[in-house]
Amino acid sequence: DAKTTQPTSMDCAEGRAANLPCNHSTISGNEYVYWYRQIHSQGPQYIIHGLKNNETNEMASLIITEDRKSSTLILPHATLRDTAVYYCIVRVQETSGSRLTFGEGTQLTVNP
Amino acid sequence: DGGITQSPKYLFRKEGQNVTLSCEQNLNHDAMYWYRQDPGQGLRLIYYSQIVNDFQKGDIAEGYSVSREKKESFPLTVTSAQKNPTAFYLCASSIGVASYEQYFGPGTRLTVT
Repeated sequence: DAKTTQPTSMDCAEGRAANLPCNHSTISGNEYVYWYRQIHSQGPQYIIHGLKNNETNEMASLIITEDRKSSTLILPHATLRDTAVYYCIVRVQETSGSRLTFGEGTQLTVNP
Repeated sequence: DGGITQSPKYLFRKEGQNVTLSCEQNLNHDAMYWYRQDPGQGLRLIYYSQIVNDFQKGDIAEGYSVSREKKESFPLTVTSAQKNPTAFYLCASSIGVASYEQYFGPGTRLTVT
């Protein structure tokens, strides 16, 4: 699975959009981009995933560049409860041996 | 309510003792996973199971053992052979191993002294 690079930490003002970048320059054609988040001392929570098209759900939007070498997770109106570590993961969706490899992620702090 | 339960939330053991962490799910998921998390780090996969009576080693299986006798249950035993057992342990499940979404339990924080 391709490696990802994320900033260690970011800050965002409450009510503003939080844009979390992720570089995955070695991604291959059959690897998906996944985003999870982990609020302190809890289990991670799935947010969104995509292959090459932009995706949106009730939690966030995922923008993937045309060359697929990077992506951005957008939380449109960040709240204090969005403070968490955000993990960007790339993975081949396969039937066996599949795994999520969590790096160190980005600590997002939403400030009042 | 459907979900994954892990118990207890905090566990303390003396060095040299084996300890078993519980993980139960009522989501009817086939696949289950165990991860370990150390402070300030991401999750590392210990073991996973695609189906009852089958499991595979993850990236850091040494010093751990698992069983999958029932679909709902995937207990993890931390043996005395595990050199640094103090960590936060997370259990997860998914419909199948190819599923895009894994559901995580609340975790068990194990401290061995």
